[in-house]
Amino acid sequence: TQLLEQSPQFLSIQEGENLTVYCNSSSVFSSLQWYRQEPGEGPVLLVTVVTGGEVKKLKRLTFQFGDARKDSSLHITAAQPGDTGLYLCAGVNVNTGFQKLVFGTGTRLLVSP
Amino acid sequence: DTGVSQDPRHKITKRGQNVTFRCDPISEHNRLYWYRQTLGQGPEFLTYFQNEAQLEKSRLLSDRFSAERPKGSFSTLEIQRTEQGDSAMYLCASSLATLNEQFFGPGTRLTVL
Repeated sequence: TQLLEQSPQFLSIQEGENLTVYCNSSSVFSSLQWYRQEPGEGPVLLVTVVTGGEVKKLKRLTFQFGDARKDSSLHITAAQPGDTGLYLCAGVNVNTGFQKLVFGTGTRLLVSP
Repeated sequence: DTGVSQDPRHKITKRGQNVTFRCDPISEHNRLYWYRQTLGQGPEFLTYFQNEAQLEKSRLLSDRFSAERPKGSFSTLEIQRTEQGDSAMYLCASSLATLNEQFFGPGTRLTVL
């Protein structure tokens, strides 16, 4: 059972464009994390959100946690080729009882010069 | 560099052989996790340790898989009688018990011929 659905699955844009990636679930998460993964490497943690409605900014990246803690979004302003990669959301489900991360399906982003 | 390290980075083996992977977590982290990632998917949880105690195992972890963390520091993941379906990226992550932020290693890419 895939608890976290990401959309879009693939996004190809030109340098300078803005984009938003969505992470949705019917389950409530006690925390949610966004990672970026390069081919052949492990995921790199970008941000953790824990409070419903929370917004965090990391340079050109803006992360938001839904009020009900069931969804999240990642917005990138003025995308650059260095933003290319696989973006994964991952959460700790309030029902699992421990700290297992459940990962989304991933969004593969390609930013062309 | 005090990040999570994994060894080897790549392993090619023949079906039926045994393989063992090692993970060295961030030194002060008392939680250690193993995940498996197949092509085009997000990582899937395999097992988790708090100190030396293995507290949870996924149904994905068949009897051919065993993980240990004997002194609460590094961990090993062994796969016996490998099958082609075991081909995947095996990821290790670590965290503090007090903070639910998991930091991943670079992974071990296993190819079973």
